[in-house]
Amino acid sequence: GAGVSQTPSNKVTEKGKYVELRCDPISGHTALYWYRQSLGQGPEFLIYFQGTGAADDSGLPNDRFFAVRPEGSVSTLKIQRTERGDSAVYLCASSSPSGSGELFFGEGSRLTVL
Amino acid sequence: QKEVEQDPGPLSVPEGAIVSLNCTYSNSAFQYFMWYRQYSRKGPELLMYTYSSGNKEDGRFTAQVDKSSKYISLFIRDSQPSDSATYLCASYAGGTSYGKLTFGQGTILTVHP
Repeated sequence: GAGVSQTPSNKVTEKGKYVELRCDPISGHTALYWYRQSLGQGPEFLIYFQGTGAADDSGLPNDRFFAVRPEGSVSTLKIQRTERGDSAVYLCASSSPSGSGELFFGEGSRLTVL
Repeated sequence: QKEVEQDPGPLSVPEGAIVSLNCTYSNSAFQYFMWYRQYSRKGPELLMYTYSSGNKEDGRFTAQVDKSSKYISLFIRDSQPSDSATYLCASYAGGTSYGKLTFGQGTILTVHP
């Protein structure tokens, strides 16, 4: 596809469960970002990958959150022992190595923790 | 206090009106300023991108940055119902923080026919 693809689009889970959210960036984009957007708020930075490595994970709220990008393309955001406060839209974005400055966002994965 | 503050609105205007959207920021290191548009249940899409102070125009949209007052503005001329969306301002310092954007809360805009 032409854009950033995120799956699932919606996920409902129970408190304490484990969740994985997947992001497939635009082909050729080496940089990948995860953001979290709570209701009525702007997106908040979580983590940034350049290739396979996490270049900046300073936005991850605690050690229940972890993200990987093992082959430098698809990324998975993993949340352990989910809490109701984790309910939000998780947005993935990618950018081109040519450095136009634009982040291309996916439509997000809407997580609801009951 | 958040690093980027934005009036959430909502803002409702008639078609054809001039719309002014504003943000303030507190981090003096911010050098790059953006406006994103987000339709309901969609991801944000980049509208305008500016570096440092000054104006930038693109069609009906004009972005202004005043670093002396730490003020960011977006003007929309001849607003259309299709402009109805949430508008997000964002900034970052540049260098190694490339892509690590700090967003405002977003302003919900409705343009009615």
